[in-house]
Amino acid sequence: AQKITQTQPGMFVQEKEAVTLDCTYDTSDPSYGLFWYKQPSSGEMIFLIYQGSYDQQNATEGRYSLNFQKARKSANLVISASQLGDSAMYFCAMRESTGGSYIPTFGRGTSLIVHP
Amino acid sequence: NAGVTQTPKFQVLKTGQSMTLQCAQDMNHEYMSWYRQDPGMGLRLIHYSVGAGITDQGEVPNGYNVSRSTTEDFPLRLLSAAPSQTSVYFCASSYTIQGLKNSPLHFGNGTRLTVT
Repeated sequence: AQKITQTQPGMFVQEKEAVTLDCTYDTSDPSYGLFWYKQPSSGEMIFLIYQGSYDQQNATEGRYSLNFQKARKSANLVISASQLGDSAMYFCAMRESTGGSYIPTFGRGTSLIVHP
Repeated sequence: NAGVTQTPKFQVLKTGQSMTLQCAQDMNHEYMSWYRQDPGMGLRLIHYSVGAGITDQGEVPNGYNVSRSTTEDFPLRLLSAAPSQTSVYFCASSYTIQGLKNSPLHFGNGTRLTVT
């Protein structure tokens, strides 16, 4: 079974609108971290935002926020006021304890296209 | 401020050839790892290391070998290249995760490998 599920292979959004990219996860570890990364067409991987399992508040970083619903095991990325430069692949990832090593696991990604 | 340096950027191999992908980081990160990225599959972990002299297998280790003689370097060796190893390879590093599950990965720029 996949530990990280991203159910939207592709998403489209109009410039300046908000968009939500879905991510659900599976773990029995009470202590874990959730991450989102962006991969533009140039290929590099860029860290966007982090949420800890014990964090009481949703993480925010500029136009990025993470809608963390622990009971539902979801960690959706919300991008507000989309820009053309937001067009990219987005990956959700989790670090859970694997013998203490917290090995990251990635979802299959969501391709976001921002239309002008 | 080099971060994670990965070489080469592109490589073409014939079936059966061997090669080494180089990865070096200058951030004193204990954790280093290699991923392969294939369309629709996200990033899959090949091998990882939590410190010099310590390596372990990830999800897809077959056909690859690693060593970690120093904190800075983590080369990936393809022993006998096969067309199934055609992929984009990423090296990534972070701080040790014993209780530090919030450490994001820092990625190299990737190596696009084609095996004919």
